[in-house]
Amino acid sequence: ETGVTQSPTHLIKTRGQQVTLRCSSQSGHNTVSWYQQALGQGPQFIFQYYREEENGRGNFPPRFSGLQFPNYSSELNVNALELDDSALYLCASSSDLAGGRDTQYFGPGTRLTVL
Amino acid sequence: SQQGEEDPQALSIQEGENATMNCSYKTSINNLQWYRQNSGRGLVHLILIRSNEREKHSGRLRVTLDTSKKSSSLLITASRAADTASYFCATDARSWGKLQFGAGTQVVVTP
Repeated sequence: ETGVTQSPTHLIKTRGQQVTLRCSSQSGHNTVSWYQQALGQGPQFIFQYYREEENGRGNFPPRFSGLQFPNYSSELNVNALELDDSALYLCASSSDLAGGRDTQYFGPGTRLTVL
Repeated sequence: SQQGEEDPQALSIQEGENATMNCSYKTSINNLQWYRQNSGRGLVHLILIRSNEREKHSGRLRVTLDTSKKSSSLLITASRAADTASYFCATDARSWGKLQFGAGTQVVVTP
């Protein structure tokens, strides 16, 4: 167990709807990264939040947005859901205070299905 | 797009045998990491090797890194049924935790 929690575990939405996924980082970690993992593929980096600011973004459209709160927990919001958004969404936390942000501690993921 | 590519895509071995998988990547890196994933769940960090290191060990795991060939290998010795999982390599260009993953190697260890 990494101490990173995500909610909900599973989610079913309809195309065009909006969804919010939540992540609580490991205690003491100030950085949260979000990844999308389609079935049978490796995770793809969506974006990273560091001390409540977006700190880098992967190749994802603006309808993917996020927030980080003062307690370093984070949300991933996806608007206008498309069928291809069906995936496992993973968040990972790390800290720049404990030897660097190299090692990522992943949560169990949220499985999103878009119908 | 994926930065790394793992080879083979799938590997089936018996308990006690060694499992070797390889990872190739395209651009320069600061470090390379290996992760394990069981049945589509969260990723578990296994080992991190920095660009100035050539080999690293952790328990039954041995990782090598050849930056001139832009490749890495993960060896699991004396495999167990519990090692059945997908294994991913991930590269980090600047040690900022923005990882680029390969597509993974699916390992099945039969008793």
